[in-house]
Amino acid sequence: GENVGLHLPTLSVQEGDNSIINCAYSNSASDYFIWYKQESGKGPQFIIDIRSNMDKRQGQRVTVLLNKTVKHLSLQIAATQPGDSAVYFCAENRDDYKLSFGAGTTVTVRA
Amino acid sequence: EPEVTQTPSHQVTQMGQEVILRCVPISNHLYFYWYRQILGQKVEFLVSFYNNEISEKSEIFDDQFSVERPDGSNFTLKIRSTKLEDSAMYFCASSGGVSPLHFGNGTRLTVT
Repeated sequence: GENVGLHLPTLSVQEGDNSIINCAYSNSASDYFIWYKQESGKGPQFIIDIRSNMDKRQGQRVTVLLNKTVKHLSLQIAATQPGDSAVYFCAENRDDYKLSFGAGTTVTVRA
Repeated sequence: EPEVTQTPSHQVTQMGQEVILRCVPISNHLYFYWYRQILGQKVEFLVSFYNNEISEKSEIFDDQFSVERPDGSNFTLKIRSTKLEDSAMYFCASSGGVSPLHFGNGTRLTVT
């Protein structure tokens, strides 16, 4: 079965609102997590990463939160823009930088 | 910003034919990967390559698949005898080891 997954397959957000995308993982040995954004016809694009010795990391308009107790990862996007419409994947690293991807959440931004 | 480039962007082939998918990883990266994504599904790991050898491969990566780094810049994925179920997007990725994986825009393989 999957070790990495997202709670919801789709998310519709009003432009300007904040988005929260969730991900659950099951392997407590995972020590590195990445969020990727995939636009139609393109490869996964790195957004932000976090290591297991941290519980929060901020980037430009994005924040990743890691809760190791419940094995939960989230991506927060502030002031969502139309260009944020894409599929978002969380990925988990267990060894040798091989990543295991979750199923993805499709984010649609409403104007 | 340096990027991973893949060619061709779309490859159509007949079942049973051999295909070679090409990738130019980011120049100072040491770890190379192939992933695939069947339409509408998640990205799946195929193989990782380091120091001129395969470091890990998935159960998808059977004897029909092979990888090669023929020179200092290219990284190729060969499928010897394609099957219909090999139709997918194939993504190459590279990493410097402590950096996240950077992906190319993929090759869409269509097997007819």
